[in-house]
Amino acid sequence: SQQGEEDPQALSIQEGENATMNCSYKTSINNLQWYRQNSGRGLVHLILIRSNEREKHSGRLRVTLDTSKKSSSLLITASRAADTASYFCATANTGNQFYFGTGTSLTVIP
Amino acid sequence: DTAVSQTPKYLVTQMGNDKSIKCEQNLGHDTMYWYKQDSKKFLKIMFSYNNKELIINETVPNRFSPKSPDKAHLNLHINSLELGDSAVYFCASALAGGTGELFFGEGSRLTVL
Repeated sequence: SQQGEEDPQALSIQEGENATMNCSYKTSINNLQWYRQNSGRGLVHLILIRSNEREKHSGRLRVTLDTSKKSSSLLITASRAADTASYFCATANTGNQFYFGTGTSLTVIP
Repeated sequence: DTAVSQTPKYLVTQMGNDKSIKCEQNLGHDTMYWYKQDSKKFLKIMFSYNNKELIINETVPNRFSPKSPDKAHLNLHINSLELGDSAVYFCASALAGGTGELFFGEGSRLTVL
């Protein structure tokens, strides 16, 4: 299977704290992406990091990528209650195939 | 305007029935997908179509038959529904080349009784 894995499966933090989620994958990639899914909704793209990049920032999001370890992390700084959602990593190859990790359920307590 | 729209949003049916889920995207993308999300939120790719041609069929039972009449539409037909087919089915689209992002529909929750 080309499916990735994420840890932790669930994360509960206080508002204002930082949240870190990790993703591991198995195959070579063109890029790695992170998505957010609110309860009962579709997935929404957050950030994309290319295979030749090591770190990327977007607002309160910071993504790192280590292709030698086939792993990535997503850091959300200064979390808010509205950040409560499930977060998924997805790997993309040049064949336009996207494979998702198992997801991390984040709860931010006000 | 919804970029990727799928209907119906909810579908409740009996075992053995046949049902369809429709998907349309107005983004001009070349590639469309069907994903299945189970009760543990595990998201598994089922099919990928590029310009109406099947690219990926990931060990999906042949009771599932995708149909792409044009590159803006990818419908999913399921025959002889089973209890294990209960899940949320997501349609998505992307530009060709694997360099962009996936755009998802809101999902279709299928419940088989």
